[in-house]
Amino acid sequence: EAQVTQNPRYLITVTGKKLTVTCSQNMNHEYMSWYRQDPGLGLRQIYYSMNVEVTDKGDVPEGYKVSRKEKRNFPLILESPSPNQTSLYFCASSYTSGRGEFFGPGTRLTVL
Amino acid sequence: DAKTTQPPSMDCAEGRAANLPCNHSTISGNEYVYWYRQIHSQGPQYIIHGLKNNETNEMASLIITEDRKSSTLILPHATLRDTAVYYCIVRVIFRDDKIIFGKGTRLHILP
Repeated sequence: EAQVTQNPRYLITVTGKKLTVTCSQNMNHEYMSWYRQDPGLGLRQIYYSMNVEVTDKGDVPEGYKVSRKEKRNFPLILESPSPNQTSLYFCASSYTSGRGEFFGPGTRLTVL
Repeated sequence: DAKTTQPPSMDCAEGRAANLPCNHSTISGNEYVYWYRQIHSQGPQYIIHGLKNNETNEMASLIITEDRKSSTLILPHATLRDTAVYYCIVRVIFRDDKIIFGKGTRLHILP
């Protein structure tokens, strides 16, 4: 089954404790991206990647890191989480030829 | 800032066609129009996209004006399960570019 998987789905952590949210897709998509969604602010892109070893900043990259060492994986790293990073996070992937992004189920993160 | 403008909410009677407008007056020649929807807090779902010709698939139809400054997503026979937030975005393809979502239209299907 074609899918984007994210782990964990739910996470409660404390300020400053490094964490990684994993994202994996099985569709051989070149393009992958991370979004956060907050009430009243909609979906905002954090980082995106056109292909392996190629990443770039989206609209709200501050406080986040990503890596793309393999085509299928695109982890989101919060080196020192803060409460303003409490949000719903989505990973997505697509072909660069533009058939539309395929979104994961989301990760709900709470930073205390 | 988002490159698209959509009404914040719309109602549609069940069984009727839902017509969702989107304004993208600053669209560039190489930008496509995409539509997604999001049900509750699930991951957004791709619906349809197009460049300048009208498009139709099993979910919806996309009508793009000749000057490409606006478009309409049509759900031909809306059901209660179509209640969602619908997002219209513009993006280039085959090129390194970020994607910007707006706030979308919250569509209520009325029984």
